[in-house]
Amino acid sequence: QLQLQESGSGLVKPSQTLSLTCTVSGGSISGSYSWSWIRQSPGKGLEWIGYIYDTGSAYYSPFFRSRVTISLDRSKDQFSLKLSSVTAADTAVYYCARASGYYTGSRIDPWGQGILVIVSS
Amino acid sequence: QSALTQPPSASGSPGQSVTISCTGTSSDVGGYNYVSWYQQHPGKAPKVMIYEVSKRPSGVPDRFSGSKSGNTASLTVSGLQAEDEADYYCSSYAGSNNWVFGTGTKVSVL
Repeated sequence: QLQLQESGSGLVKPSQTLSLTCTVSGGSISGSYSWSWIRQSPGKGLEWIGYIYDTGSAYYSPFFRSRVTISLDRSKDQFSLKLSSVTAADTAVYYCARASGYYTGSRIDPWGQGILVIVSS
Repeated sequence: QSALTQPPSASGSPGQSVTISCTGTSSDVGGYNYVSWYQQHPGKAPKVMIYEVSKRPSGVPDRFSGSKSGNTASLTVSGLQAEDEADYYCSSYAGSNNWVFGTGTKVSVL
């Protein structure tokens, strides 16, 4: 059964770069899937950040495009998120997930358990 | 792109039905049959309940059903049970490799 697990720093200072990694187990990063990052600010809704294909091509939400990078390490079955110039508004639970349907994101499943990242000095 | 619009809350008594709407535009919900619905219990990751408008993953009770008309998609939960109390989010493909989520609806079982 495919499982995803987020890891990384849970506390980031303002203006610095948030870095998270998602490790895939019970399977590999391959196939017609989008390997995705989604976040949820405290008490708020879900927000799509971006995704990457197993080819390494990445696509980002227009809201984050200027400061986000998603990359892939197929040898480790990991994909990563970097979000630069963070502010308190970037405090959120960050989820990694696999989406079916390639670019359509038609079915996001499974999800990681989520990791809380707090932006504070 | 803007978030899809959902009612903030919905409720029903056990055994009743509740329907949640998800309103977008012709550029997202109305333009593609790639609407999905997610259930989220407090402190947990979301779980897919419906995908591609009306398809149900294995293991999801058939009390959950989805539909779409024009720019509005809907999730109906029939025969409400206590464990259905959760937040529900819709999501849609929005063209040009973009996705968009709904604002979320808190479902309460009275």
